[in-house]
This record gives sequence, structure tokens and C-alpha cells, in this order.
Amino acid sequence: ETGVTQTPRHLVMGMTNKKSLKCEQHLGHNAMYWYKQSAKKPLELMFVYSLEERVENNSVPSRFSPECPNSSHLFLHLHTLQPEDSALYLCASSQDRTGFANEQFFGPGTRLTVL
Amino acid sequence: GQSLEQPSEVTAVEGAIVQINCTYQTSGFYGLSWYQQHDGGAPTFLSYNGLDGLEETGRFSSFLSRSDSYGYLLLQELQMKDSASYFCGSDKLIFGTGTRLQVFP
Repeated sequence: ETGVTQTPRHLVMGMTNKKSLKCEQHLGHNAMYWYKQSAKKPLELMFVYSLEERVENNSVPSRFSPECPNSSHLFLHLHTLQPEDSALYLCASSQDRTGFANEQFFGPGTRLTVL
Repeated sequence: GQSLEQPSEVTAVEGAIVQINCTYQTSGFYGLSWYQQHDGGAPTFLSYNGLDGLEETGRFSSFLSRSDSYGYLLLQELQMKDSASYFCGSDKLIFGTGTRLQVFP
């Protein structure tokens, strides 16, 4: 266990559905991240939150909407997704966001399938 | 922009030594990290090189040469449990495509 939990672990949704992914970290970290991991592709950074403020948004389509209500919780709200959005969505946290020297702790991911 | 390249797959036998390379095209690069990910598991941090040279952590070592835009992860005394994917990443949170290591008995 890394101290980062994600729910649900698996999700199947239709293109018209609305769903949310949840991430919780129990490490007292100040930065949280959403990544997309697709087969044969590099891990893609989607969003970065530092002290509950979004500090980075890597040109992610608006059908993905993050929310960080406090430093321990991070959500990814999904609506009108496309089949190509099917992937493993990973949440991570680090002590702060001063660069990669800060070890990132990843959750187990949510395997999302869009039909 | 940045891009990091790794071999897609490496195979080795138990007890052997294997080197996984990572070459990068980048601007404003400061350091390189390595992560391990078992099938169905979360990526776990292995090491970070903020300076040129070799960093050793038990059976795993990592090397960086910024003048050559190159780094590698060295795994010694391979064990079956080392079978996993390994990926490098920059401090801009750009990652390589990952190298799948298969260790055979």
C-alpha cells in the first residue's frame, strides 16, 4: 500500500454517462496529480493540484473536470467521454510540487472502459 | 517540449545484470527519475538523479549524463520479482513509454 487509494478500481460507462473518480491520500502531502495511462503510450500528466489550487492543466479536454476540495482528496469528474478515453487513470501525490525530486506516490488506478 | 525514449522490452535470466536506457530530447532538463510498475499495480518510485553520475540503492543503480542527454537504470542480481515495467521521467513530469523487463529462471 502506498497511502494513496482510488475508487472505483474498475468502471464501465457509456458515452452519455456522468461518473466521478475519487482519490484519497493519507500521507499529508500537499500536491496531487491525475495521470492517464494507455497501452503502448507514455504516462500522460493531466492535472496538478498544489495546496488545493490547480497549477497545471495539460490541454485536457473539458469532458474531464478535476476537483480538489482539500489537500487529501482529488476527484476527476467525467462526462460525455469517448471510447478513446478508455485507459487506466492514476492518481498520485507528493510532499510538494517542486519537481520530480519529490517522490510521487501512486494509487492503484481506475481502469476505465467507455462503450 | 520534451520526449524520453526507452526500449520497449528487455529480457534476462535470474542472477544477471540488465541495463535499461533512457534518452531524452528536452529543454530545461534538471533530473531523471525511475519508476517500477508491476502488471496491475501502481508505479513505485525507484530513484532520482539530480546530478550527473551514479546513484546506488541496493541492487538498483541509476545513472545520468546530462551532456549526453542519457540515463540508465541498472538492475543487478536479477530476481523473478523484478519482472515489471520500468519507466523514466523528467522533472517536467514527462515520461518515457516504459520498458517491460522479463526475468526468466
